[in-house]
Amino acid sequence: GNSVTQMEGPVTLSEEAFLTINCTYTATGYPSLFWYVQYPGEGLQLLLKATKADDKGSNKGFEATYRKETTSFHLEKGSVQVSDSAVYFCALVYGNNRLAFGKGNQVVVIP
Amino acid sequence: DSGVTQTPKHLITATGQRVTLRCSPRSGDLSVYWYQQSLDQGLQFLIQYYNGEERAKGNILERFSAQQFPDLHSELNLSSLELGDSALYFCASSGLQGTEAFFGQGTRLTVV
Repeated sequence: GNSVTQMEGPVTLSEEAFLTINCTYTATGYPSLFWYVQYPGEGLQLLLKATKADDKGSNKGFEATYRKETTSFHLEKGSVQVSDSAVYFCALVYGNNRLAFGKGNQVVVIP
Repeated sequence: DSGVTQTPKHLITATGQRVTLRCSPRSGDLSVYWYQQSLDQGLQFLIQYYNGEERAKGNILERFSAQQFPDLHSELNLSSLELGDSALYFCASSGLQGTEAFFGQGTRLTVV
């Protein structure tokens, strides 16, 4: 089936540190991949996406590369800010534009 | 602002009761999706409507139902509520196949 796996547990780091959140997927074919972000008390916002292998999605300093060989779409940011504190979800699209999400990772950035 | 409006934002109700969650999609979007976000199950797809017709079903309980009206707004009906139905319910909308889905801010349902 179609599924997404994110690394377990919250991520706590200091301001200006490097952030990596791992995401791997299982899918039929090569679906578009997404990272969504959920700020406290808000809905889901699309952070970035990639539609085919080797594509790199980027937005607000975040990047993720669609790796077909390793079925991965890891999220990275070189220097996080306190305002990046949120929950991050990796997702893939399947069927009639439905999304399958990973469990999400809480990111806490300490000043 | 995503353009997707969900009401109410919060809902507290007792076990056994029935509630209706409402979603207004972005202007022009024909597809509406409902998702449930709970601590144990994460974010799960429930059901999709396209231009008034059911298009796909996910992990939706028989106690739950939905519909999309001619003006394209959608309602999710939850009945015989149990404590385990407490969750954040999101609505999303999109245009043509393959286009980005935009999410509302969700309705937080608490069953006591």
